[in-house]
Amino acid sequence: QQQVKQSPQSLIVQKGGISIINCAYENTAFDYFPWYQQFPGKGPALLIAIRPDVSEKKEGRFTISFNKSAKQFSLHIMDSQPGDSATYFCAASKGSGNTGKLIFGQGTTLQVKP
Amino acid sequence: DSGVTQTPKHLITATGQRVTLRCSPRSGDLSVYWYQQSLDQGLQFLIQYYNGEERAKGNILERFSAQQFPDLHSELNLSSLELGDSALYFCASSPLAHGELFFGEGSRLTVL
Repeated sequence: QQQVKQSPQSLIVQKGGISIINCAYENTAFDYFPWYQQFPGKGPALLIAIRPDVSEKKEGRFTISFNKSAKQFSLHIMDSQPGDSATYFCAASKGSGNTGKLIFGQGTTLQVKP
Repeated sequence: DSGVTQTPKHLITATGQRVTLRCSPRSGDLSVYWYQQSLDQGLQFLIQYYNGEERAKGNILERFSAQQFPDLHSELNLSSLELGDSALYFCASSPLAHGELFFGEGSRLTVL
């Protein structure tokens, strides 16, 4: 059972544009929602994370928007750069002591064209 | 570089065999996690150890086992290997029983 659904599967954006990746979850007990970035040949690396008590979190060019009632959250990459080309995974976990037991989305491959 | 070291980076073996994957966490991290990444299943949590004790279990097959040693390194043992076990196996670590995960670069297992 896929508990975190991610879309789109792939995304092509021009340099300077906005990249938007969406995720939807089913389990209302989830209370930690991180986004991971993975480059080819590397392991995932934490990009930004949010808890459901806030609706938005921004770190540099990366913003998470969170809609608790819709059970959706999204990643916005502003001023996208070719160096942002990677695979992005949303994830979720439940319980403050279980932030490492993550349920991952299927991933989005982002290509930023120069 | 995350500071998490995994060996071997690549491993090719035959069905029915047994392999051991090794992980050294970041210095000072007490938790080790194992994840499997495959094309059809994506990234799946297998198991977590905290300071030598099993803390959480995910979709880990009975043919798979893991342990964390007193020096905090961990090993994932995969036995009676099947073609479908071919995947990238990631180890991650965190300072405590929870918190940000730091992933290694993975061990790519190919079962022929």
